[in-house]
Amino acid sequence: SQQGEEDPQALSIQEGENATMNCSYKTSINNLQWYRQNSGRGLVHLILIRSNEREKHSGRLRVTLDTSKKSSSLLITASRAADTASYFCATDAAPPKGAQKLVFGQGTRLTINP
Amino acid sequence: DAGVIQSPRHEVTEMGQEVTLRCKPISGHDYLFWYRQTMMRGLELLIYFNNNVPIDDSGMPEDRFSAKMPNASFSTLKIQPSEPRDSAVYFCASSFYTGYGYTFGSGTRLTVV
Repeated sequence: SQQGEEDPQALSIQEGENATMNCSYKTSINNLQWYRQNSGRGLVHLILIRSNEREKHSGRLRVTLDTSKKSSSLLITASRAADTASYFCATDAAPPKGAQKLVFGQGTRLTINP
Repeated sequence: DAGVIQSPRHEVTEMGQEVTLRCKPISGHDYLFWYRQTMMRGLELLIYFNNNVPIDDSGMPEDRFSAKMPNASFSTLKIQPSEPRDSAVYFCASSFYTGYGYTFGSGTRLTVV
């Protein structure tokens, strides 16, 4: 079952513009992570934000987390053609035993036009 | 470190045949995960191990699927017998500990005809 849902499903912007993707989830979490997947490749971990954090930065990436709304956003500033990829949010819907188990959303397909 | 290594990269097999996918996690990572990715269902967690012990196999679709981790540096996912609906990209990932990012392999694209 899907824990996270990304919005929009697809996004196309011009190079240099900012890209914002959103993720909503259903249950309480310990942390939320964002991953990138280039076509035909494995997923690459981008950033992790813990439930007690509200904002985190990494280079051109900015992630926010609103646990009251059960939502997160990923902002990519000054986009480049190389940012073209699918972006996934993932949450650790930890079972009562506390073991780790990341559940991924369906992803946002981002296209950067030159 | 070479990252998470999966083999083969591509596998085409006939329905009814046994398929074995292999994974070498990053040295020192205590957790290993097997995921399946399809257009219809997205990324699904099949099973994961902690210190070579299977912790949660609730995502394994049927008894035709089995996974083992005989030691800290090797895991297999076996499908026997394979069916066309098993066609997907299978990913292996590893992680240090709870609350840490995963490192994914490049995946095995399985086609069952």
